[in-house]
Amino acid sequence: KAGVTQTPRYLIKTRGQQVTLSCSPISGHRSVSWYQQTPGQGLQFLFEYFSETQRNKGNFPGRFSGRQFSNSRSEMNVSTLELGDSALYLCASSPASEINEKLFFGSGTQLSVL
Amino acid sequence: GNSVTQMEGPVTLSEEAFLTINCTYTATGYPSLFWYVQYPGEGLQLLLKATKADDKGSNKGFEATYRKETTSFHLEKGSVQVSDSAVYFCALSDQTGANNLFFGTGTRLTVIP
Repeated sequence: KAGVTQTPRYLIKTRGQQVTLSCSPISGHRSVSWYQQTPGQGLQFLFEYFSETQRNKGNFPGRFSGRQFSNSRSEMNVSTLELGDSALYLCASSPASEINEKLFFGSGTQLSVL
Repeated sequence: GNSVTQMEGPVTLSEEAFLTINCTYTATGYPSLFWYVQYPGEGLQLLLKATKADDKGSNKGFEATYRKETTSFHLEKGSVQVSDSAVYFCALSDQTGANNLFFGTGTRLTVIP
């Protein structure tokens, strides 16, 4: 069974641009969550999607948005990029959206904002 | 609010040494607790979990016990191997946001032969 796939693996953008990251969950998984990982703040929850609906949202500005498609694939978008958005963005999937469920993480997209 | 505090790293141990990585938490209600591990170049993987007080999670020789009285979930292993070199993250789920995990900052472990 293929794991969680995130594309692209690396991205370099400049301030003010926007970026879209993609995540393909494990087949059969309907929940996709996004996390931002930085050396200073560690791992922080961005949002979770289940059956194309946003279920939970972390404490990030509105420049961060996402969506989920009917095949459970998810995208996250960051508009008007800032230097502080440089981070590793991790996607995680799980079969449902149950408490205590095991999350399966992708290898991440490393975003550098210059 | 919810937060997780982890032992600062990096930690360097010789093979077969005893490992403890401290983790304490602050949470409302009764959180579930997790340890995730991130090997170089890979995504995070669930190592073990405990969902209620006094539960012990265990996997691959690692253990952690959910201690409500001390709000702790310390990770231990009796004899580490070089292959255990990775970054270890303690995390909690507050029972309200199913996949909204609150992570500690991670502890990098290096095991030398």
